[in-house]
Amino acid sequence: DQQVKQNSPSLSVQEGRISILNCDYTNSMFDYFLWYKKYPAEGPTFLISISSIKDKNEDGRFTVFLNKSAKHLSLHIVPSQPGDSAVYFCAASAVDNYGQNFVFGPGTRLSVLP
Amino acid sequence: EPEVTQTPSHQVTQMGQEVILRCVPISNHLYFYWYRQILGQKVEFLVSFYNNEISEKSEIFDDQFSVERPDGSNFTLKIRSTKLEDSAMYFCASRRTGGRSPLHFGNGTRLTVT
Repeated sequence: DQQVKQNSPSLSVQEGRISILNCDYTNSMFDYFLWYKKYPAEGPTFLISISSIKDKNEDGRFTVFLNKSAKHLSLHIVPSQPGDSAVYFCAASAVDNYGQNFVFGPGTRLSVLP
Repeated sequence: EPEVTQTPSHQVTQMGQEVILRCVPISNHLYFYWYRQILGQKVEFLVSFYNNEISEKSEIFDDQFSVERPDGSNFTLKIRSTKLEDSAMYFCASRRTGGRSPLHFGNGTRLTVT
């Protein structure tokens, strides 16, 4: 039951270029989406989120785009830096669900090459 | 910046033994979660907790698992009789409100069952 999918297990990008990480979801009840970054031996760190009433949210070098009709979101990192090398998880939640479980995708490992 | 703290960072136990994983959520947070990540697999939801009761739990969270908030600061996960397949990273997370607020994770406890 893969409600949240990240079809690229890995991505390599040159320093200074744009990194685009993709995420697809199947549950139409999801209305709040988040991106997390994870380094080895650490917990996931919250990066940026977007509500379903928006189609774009920006925070510094990070921008998340949401296409509700396609059930697709993406994270853009520009410019990419070597310190961005990590595993990136997409997560989704249905806000009106009382327990409000967050469902995570399998992650994409980003390598930013100097 | 306030953070979620988890102890111990690594726990080794024998099959059939009980373990308690401890977490101190961020102090003004009201919603608490446990997730786990088996090596090489996705981050999986176990349980959410609000207002001193479980609000949602997954199929993984069977009768061998329990959670408790014994005082105003700690949030614990107990596994009554550990199995080999319980070996994983266990992440505690908290958030300040319901709705559109992100989870903040601790750095995890690596549980190894031998």
